[in-house]
Amino acid sequence: NAGVTQTPKFRVLKTGQSMTLLCAQDMNHEYMYWYRQDPGMGLRLIHYSVGEGTTAKGEVPDGYNVSRLKKQNFLLGLESAAPSQTSVYFCASSYVLAGGNEQYFGPGTRLTVT
Amino acid sequence: DQQVKQNSPSLSVQEGRISILNCDYTNSMFDYFLWYKKYPAEGPTFLISISSIKDKNEDGRFTVFLNKSAKHLSLHIVPSQPGDSAVYFCAASTGGTSYGKLTFGQGTILTVHP
Repeated sequence: NAGVTQTPKFRVLKTGQSMTLLCAQDMNHEYMYWYRQDPGMGLRLIHYSVGEGTTAKGEVPDGYNVSRLKKQNFLLGLESAAPSQTSVYFCASSYVLAGGNEQYFGPGTRLTVT
Repeated sequence: DQQVKQNSPSLSVQEGRISILNCDYTNSMFDYFLWYKKYPAEGPTFLISISSIKDKNEDGRFTVFLNKSAKHLSLHIVPSQPGDSAVYFCAASTGGTSYGKLTFGQGTILTVHP
């Protein structure tokens, strides 16, 4: 089991460029999440998905779009990158469990927007 | 509005001693709490969790205590080892229809000296 994988690991973009971050999980999890981590801010939820074909906004969704065409994949898109989107992006997945469940995280993508 | 707060950015402990990491929350709807550990250039990994129906949960060297009246939880590591040096995040969820969404604290950097 590879768990949760993220592509790419690093990327440098110029302001206004677009890109897509790919997240894949092989644990058959229903739920998937995208977070960003900034110094002193912890992890903040960007978007999440509760199943194939469904997505929803998290705490900081502006400037990002997502798609979940296949259960195992969750894509995060930046249509027009801004320096404020310089961050480390983490994808996570979890199974459905009443009462609470842990999320499994990928290794992260470090994005710099110049 | 930071609903989950870790007020100590860093903690330094001698090997073999106890490490105590603290976390406070403001949302009384939180009913499931987790601790994650994160090494540099890796994604967070799940450490231990506790449901609001309990006040203590143990797993080997790690114990989490929950004080609902004070809206406070803590993670105890005994004995601390140099390999425990990492960033520790506490997280909380409201269970139910929250779809497993987590709200994270800012993190505490733990350094365990040999």
